[in-house]
Amino acid sequence: AQSVTQPDIHITVSEGASLELRCNYSYGATPYLFWYVQSPGQGLQLLLKYFSGDTLVQGIKGFEAEFKRSQSSFNLRKPSVHWSDAAEYFCAVGSPGGSYIPTFGRGTSLIVHP
Amino acid sequence: KAGVTQTPRYLIKTRGQQVTLSCSPISGHRSVSWYQQTPGQGLQFLFEYFSETQRNKGNFPGRFSGRQFSNSRSEMNVSTLELGDSALYLCASSRPGADEQFFGPGTRLTVL
Repeated sequence: AQSVTQPDIHITVSEGASLELRCNYSYGATPYLFWYVQSPGQGLQLLLKYFSGDTLVQGIKGFEAEFKRSQSSFNLRKPSVHWSDAAEYFCAVGSPGGSYIPTFGRGTSLIVHP
Repeated sequence: KAGVTQTPRYLIKTRGQQVTLSCSPISGHRSVSWYQQTPGQGLQFLFEYFSETQRNKGNFPGRFSGRQFSNSRSEMNVSTLELGDSALYLCASSRPGADEQFFGPGTRLTVL
């Protein structure tokens, strides 16, 4: 069965600092990988996704993520965090082909200090 | 293009009651999935409907049910509400054959 681990429940950064959110997955083959963001009171918005090809994926809002098969990781990065980035971030893994139902990690809450 | 809409946005019910939540997918999307989000359990998959048929089901008791109409709109129903059913219920839709889901803002259900 597929699973996702986000080791950090909370992360606090200062505005303008760089950010890396960790995500490790468990899946038998190359999975589909996603990062979503959820602002308070909102649904989930897709930041980026990896299906195949280039292991460095660019997303919206200046985010990027790198797929590392050897480490079973798909960490999310941003070079300079803005106060508006404060939100909950979810990593998800999906099964290629067929009916796609992702498995979500427990989320990482990002706190941004001015 | 309108996004996924969910109604109502907020609900307060008491134990033992039942509730129906509604989800309208993005136009052209035929798959609708439902998720329960709680602080303790995170995001958990409830079920998925495609062309009015339940295609996948998560590990929830039979009190949780759903259906999909011919226009792809979906409803989920929870009967005999328990305190632990208090959660944010999220609906997501996707196009046929697509691997990306688009989420609605959710319905916040509080059970007293």
